[in-house]
Amino acid sequence: RKEVEQDPGPFNVPEGATVAFNCTYSNSASQSFFWYRQDCRKEPKLLMSVYSSGNEDGRFTAQLNRASQYISLLIRDSKLSDSATYLCAVNYNTDKLIFGTGTRLQVFP
Amino acid sequence: SQTIHQWPATLVQPVGSPLSLECTVEGTSNPNLYWYRQAAGRGLQLLFYSVGIGQISSEVPQNLSASRPQDRQFILSSKKLLLSDSGFYLCAWSPKTGGNEKLFFGSGTQLSVL
Repeated sequence: RKEVEQDPGPFNVPEGATVAFNCTYSNSASQSFFWYRQDCRKEPKLLMSVYSSGNEDGRFTAQLNRASQYISLLIRDSKLSDSATYLCAVNYNTDKLIFGTGTRLQVFP
Repeated sequence: SQTIHQWPATLVQPVGSPLSLECTVEGTSNPNLYWYRQAAGRGLQLLFYSVGIGQISSEVPQNLSASRPQDRQFILSSKKLLLSDSGFYLCAWSPKTGGNEKLFFGSGTQLSVL
């Protein structure tokens, strides 16, 4: 089983839609969780950290479910500019982040 | 503010040629440094990371090597490139905060081995 798994998609949604991605992790000792956004042929950029209590940043909401070992990202009122690949990353309290393979989102007019 | 520089942006190399990619970080000291590779349509694979000068941890056996000759300089090398070395190489840094480290990436090098 992979350490961090994501549905590769693509998720094709119309503008204004709400879309959610999940990311599962295998190590129950995982400590830190993040969502990154990656545009085509660009470097990943930190979108948001994921906290145990859940957190929101504008149209984006991140949640952590430790019991089921997954994190989620919810995007409300999707914009064309949200089209990208979304990577989840997990830290096992070491010096390295393990990334999922990413979920591709395509928002259409 | 902290910045990370990675060069070159693109590189085309013949099979069997050497490789040297360089990455430097500014505006911080004693960072953790990383090299990742992303093959076409695939996820980020951690290749090497370093917690200090001269300290290199290798994650995947391969014909690549890494060195950290200075605190904020990280170099990825190969003596003889293989076709399978093609990919998008990303350098990254994180602060040492004892957990919850966030990674910040350089702009990447697209390497094509022909």
